[in-house]
Parts: sequence; structure tokens; C-alpha cells
Amino acid sequence: AQRVTQPEKLLSVFKGAPVELKCNYSYSGSPELFWYVQYSRQRLQLLLRHISRESIKGFTADLNKGETSFHLKKPFAQEEDSAMYYCALSGYGQNFVFGPGTRLSVLP
Amino acid sequence: EAGVAQSPRYKIIEKRQSVAFWCNPISGHATLYWYQQILGQGPKLLIQFQNNGVVDDSQLPKDRFSAERLKGVDSTLKIQPAKLEDSAVYLCASSLELSGLHYEQYFGPGTRLTVT
Repeated sequence: AQRVTQPEKLLSVFKGAPVELKCNYSYSGSPELFWYVQYSRQRLQLLLRHISRESIKGFTADLNKGETSFHLKKPFAQEEDSAMYYCALSGYGQNFVFGPGTRLSVLP
Repeated sequence: EAGVAQSPRYKIIEKRQSVAFWCNPISGHATLYWYQQILGQGPKLLIQFQNNGVVDDSQLPKDRFSAERLKGVDSTLKIQPAKLEDSAVYLCASSLELSGLHYEQYFGPGTRLTVT
């Protein structure tokens, strides 16, 4: 069965510090991985997906199939990055599974 | 373009009552999703439609939940009768989807349901 874990419920960092939000998954096939973000009083929205290999708002994420991980990274956190981050997994033709989420708080 | 619309935004009902939620997806999006998000958890997929057909409803509690997407556009999700554990935010999302590939999902603002 598909499963996504995000070990940290809350992650606090200072502005300008590097940030890494962890995501691990279990899936027997070829996964499609996503990061979704929800800023305060806004809708859940896509941040990035591994297949497009983009850097969005300075965030990157690399799929590591050996470690079954898809950690989200940013070298220098900004206060506007404070939000709820969800890792999500899908396989071809399979339904979406979201992780429990990590709340990132960037302190001034 | 207009985003995904949902109504109502908030609903408070007593247990054993019924409730219905409405969703209007982005125009042209073939796929529509309903999620349940309990406080402190990630969204959990309840049902996925492709046009007006059900693709996946394996996690929908069919003894009390039902959903339809007549004409392949807007959709309603109903709970009858409601239980205390149904208190959650119900999210609707839509996406372009072809041949089993997952495109970006666009989410609505959600309906916050409180069952007392």
C-alpha cells in the first residue's frame, strides 16, 4: 500500500538558515512525488513535483529511490516561507496519498 | 481563470443529521476529487471522478457517504447520517487528467463541518 510519512510536525528555523523538510514514502512501483503548500488563510497549492525538476521559490526536492525519500530543501529560509507543507505520492493510475504535513515556522 | 468553488464554507449540524456539500471545478477539468481533512492530518482522498464516472471510491464510507457528478461538471458530496468523527474540512480539487497521469490539482477553499 502507498504511504507517506513526514516525521516532523513542526520545524522552526531562523530567517536565512537552511531548511529541510523530510518526506519518506513506501510504494512498490514507480512513484510520482509532489510537495503541496498551504499558506495562512490560502488554499492548498502545488509547490513542485519531482518529474518537472523545477526550483520553485528557491525550493528543490530530489527523489531518492534508494532511500525512498523526497526531502524538500531551501538554502536560505524567508519569513514568507512559513506555511504548512504536505508531501504527496501517486503511482500511475493510483490515487493520491498525502502525508500528515509539517508546519514550517521561519523566525525573524 | 476562476478557481474551484465550494459551498457552504462552514456547516454545523447535530449527529444523525444529513449534510451536503457542493463543488464547481475549474472549467475544462475532467478530474474531480473530494478529500476529507481531519484536524492535524493530511487530506485523505474519498472519491475521484473522471468526467462523470467514478475512478476510485475505495476510501469512501459508503454506508453514510455518497457523491455524484452529474453531467461531468459540478459535484455534490452527501453525508447521511453524520457522526461526530465526520467533523473535518472537506476539500474539493480538480485537474486535467489523461491516461492515468496526474496533473496539478487545484483546490477549493474547503467546507469546515462540525458535528455536535
